[in-house]
Amino acid sequence: GQQVMQIPQYQHVQEGEDFTTYCNSSTTLSNIQWYKQRPGGHPVFLIQLVKSGEVKKQKRLTFQFGEAKKNSSLHITATQTTDVGTYFCAGLRGGKLIFGQGTELSVKP
Amino acid sequence: DAGVTQSPTHLIKTRGQQVTLRCSPKSGHDTVSWYQQALGQGPQFIFQYYEEEERQRGNFPDRFSGHQFPNYSSELNVNALLLGDSALYLCASSLERNTEAFFGQGTRLTVV
Repeated sequence: GQQVMQIPQYQHVQEGEDFTTYCNSSTTLSNIQWYKQRPGGHPVFLIQLVKSGEVKKQKRLTFQFGEAKKNSSLHITATQTTDVGTYFCAGLRGGKLIFGQGTELSVKP
Repeated sequence: DAGVTQSPTHLIKTRGQQVTLRCSPKSGHDTVSWYQQALGQGPQFIFQYYEEEERQRGNFPDRFSGHQFPNYSSELNVNALLLGDSALYLCASSLERNTEAFFGQGTRLTVV
């Protein structure tokens, strides 16, 4: 079946260090979306990537969509304690949004 | 402008019982999707409703059913509850099927 794999599952960083999470799909995606979920909260939309090879930036966050539209990454530069949470990629295929398992980021001040 | 609202926020049910969860989409949104999120996992797609019809369905048994009303609000029904149905149930609304999803706070269902 359709799968979206995300690594790593956990990442512990010192405040100021960089962080990257990777997302891979077994099938080509129409688009990929990224969400952030704080502990005890609900997923909050961050960004959507549609085009092959697309790169988008939001302040310290950089999102990439692979050329084959099967993989994506989120990179955070100089993490802050406010970045704590679980980051999910979600691939859209056939109208269904398929979420990865998420990467839980903890930041030590 | 209210976002996506879900009720109830928490629910405890006994095995074999039935449950109904409710969702009101963000104003102006016409598409509602339901997800099940087990602890430590990503949300799993249950189904999506548009124009009062189920448009897409994930890999969930027929015990899971839903409905969308003319005002775009939606219900998720689960029959014959199992312990494994314990999870956070999330409703998400969007304007069209390929746009960003706005999630509600979820309903935490515990089956005992």
